[in-house]
Amino acid sequence: GESVGLHLPTLSVQEGDNSIINCAYSNSASDYFIWYKQESGKGPQFIIDIRSNMDKRQGQRVTVLLNKTVKHLSLQIAATQPGDSAVYFCAEGISGGGADGLTFGKGTHLIIQP
Amino acid sequence: DGGITQSPKYLFRKEGQNVTLSCEQNLNHDAMYWYRQDPGQGLRLIYYSQIVNDFQKGDIAEGYSVSREKKESFPLTVTSAQKNPTAFYLCASSIDPGEGETQYFGPGTRLLVL
Repeated sequence: GESVGLHLPTLSVQEGDNSIINCAYSNSASDYFIWYKQESGKGPQFIIDIRSNMDKRQGQRVTVLLNKTVKHLSLQIAATQPGDSAVYFCAEGISGGGADGLTFGKGTHLIIQP
Repeated sequence: DGGITQSPKYLFRKEGQNVTLSCEQNLNHDAMYWYRQDPGQGLRLIYYSQIVNDFQKGDIAEGYSVSREKKESFPLTVTSAQKNPTAFYLCASSIDPGEGETQYFGPGTRLLVL
């Protein structure tokens, strides 16, 4: 999994399986969290977000889970497809925290095996 | 078709040369940001702007300059004082700078030194 820290871990899954990408955040005051997908040579693309008054939010084939007790965030991708191969990273922010308010993790590289 | 555009996609800089990266958005967003991305690292904030004619330094502003003369535009100049400019530069924008809003990214500009 990923932390807002040094390494870029890799997660390799079989096509059609579910993927779970993890993120440990550091600021207990953070109340807004975002997952981005970044394909090679492209800008990050917004996937899904969640605020701290929720512990789960679902989108199309994606679910974000938030555990504030242990400061942990996860992104679940159902039935992964080749197009899901990318680097996924989380971001944390504080509502009203100012324009410099997002802190980004370094990402997890998701590789889809055929 | 709304979005954020960056140009050029690739930019080559000679020793001692200043170069300017373009960022334009038609999303009517108030806040705009410039980030630098190096391999295996998270996004690092260079400059941000909450409103026209105002901008603030981020974590790594040395060797860079910006302007915000129009709401739609936030160009970044990489000056000769930036000794290690080779990186992927990302521009982003968000609706409201003060409320922990999602940042949406452009496609990026890759800067290389000749």
